[in-house]
Order: sequence, then C-alpha cells, then structure tokens
Amino acid sequence: QQQVKQSPQSLIVQKGGISIINCAYENTAFDYFPWYQQFPGKGPALLIAIRPDVSEKKEGRFTISFNKSAKQFSLHIMDSQPGDSATYFCAARKNYGGATNKLIFGTGTLLAVQP
Amino acid sequence: EAGVTQFPSHSVIEKGQTVTLRCDPISGHDNLYWYRRVMGKEIKFLLHFVKESKQDESGMPNNRFLAERTGGTYSTLKVQPAELEDSGVYFCASSQWDTQYFGPGTRLTVL
Repeated sequence: QQQVKQSPQSLIVQKGGISIINCAYENTAFDYFPWYQQFPGKGPALLIAIRPDVSEKKEGRFTISFNKSAKQFSLHIMDSQPGDSATYFCAARKNYGGATNKLIFGTGTLLAVQP
Repeated sequence: EAGVTQFPSHSVIEKGQTVTLRCDPISGHDNLYWYRRVMGKEIKFLLHFVKESKQDESGMPNNRFLAERTGGTYSTLKVQPAELEDSGVYFCASSQWDTQYFGPGTRLTVL
C-alpha cells in the first residue's frame, strides 16, 4: 500500500515550458512535504518543502502548491531548463511527536527538458 | 562542509554472500537514516538512528539485515546472507533538524 502516489512517471517538456508533477496522500497526520531532486549518480537533494498551514511556497522557478482538503500537492517548475532534467521525488513525513522523522516517498518522476 | 558519504558506490555479490555498507554522516548530525530504492519503485525507509540508538527500525525487511552505529558516528548496514530481492540502491541520510541530507547511495547487485 503506497502512502504517497506520484504522477506522471516520466515527463518531457520543452525548454522554457512549465513542468508539473503531482502527488497525493491519504494520511492526514502528515505534517511536512518536501520535494527532492536527484541527478544521475548523486543522492536526492532537498529542493523545496512545505507545511500544510500554507497553500503555496515559491523559491525561484520552483513552486509547491498544496491542497489540504484534496490531500494533494504539486511541484511546478517555471521556465524549465535542460539543467532541470533529473528525477524528482515528492515525500511526506508524519508527526510522531519527535520520535522519528522518517520520510515516505513517491515513486519518482523522470523529467527531461528538451533544448 | 563535507556531505554524507557512502562506501562502496557499487557492490556486486552472489546470492548467499555477505555485504557491509558504510555511511559517514555529516559531522554533528545526531539523526542517521537508511533508505532503499528497488528499481523503479519508491525510496523506502529502513531505519533511523538517534546517535547510537535505534529509534525506529520498522522498515527493516527481515533479520538478514543488521544495522549498527558505532559511537554515534558512522553506520554500517550488513546483509547476511544476501538474496536476489536485496538488489537496489541503498541511501543513507543524516539530519540535525528537518532537512535530511542524502549520500550518493550504494548500488547493490545480488546475482
């Protein structure tokens, strides 16, 4: 049973276009939603994160949109560049009261930005 | 500041053999996590150390996996005996607060 569902599995976008990756979750106890970016041969690196008390967070060309009632969140990459080509993972963390901070990941989206 | 390092980067072993993976977290990070990604699937949590103590090992697949964290510094993950389904990329991450910093992973192939 997958707790965080991510789509699409792969995405091809033209340079300058908008890339959109979607995630959905079931557990309302999740309190922290990060997005990670992974380049080949490297580990995942935190890109941007949001908490459920805000509906949107923007950092440069990257924006997270969060819909608490629908239990969905998405990553938007504006003006996509070839250097953005990577695998993107959404994740969620349950509030265990500090006991543990394990992340629950989606299956990943392979993004290719064509020049 | 040095990031999270993992050794080896790749390991190819035969079914039934033993493999030990090592993770060196960022200096000063009390929290250390192990995750695994089997091809094409999600990155799955294995266990979490706080300093030298196992805080949560709910993700460990079975008793063929043994994790240790000596003196609250580096950690090892031993698989003994390895099975075909253990193949995948094993990631280590460390954190002091919210952000988990991942290492480059160890790609394990069991033949």
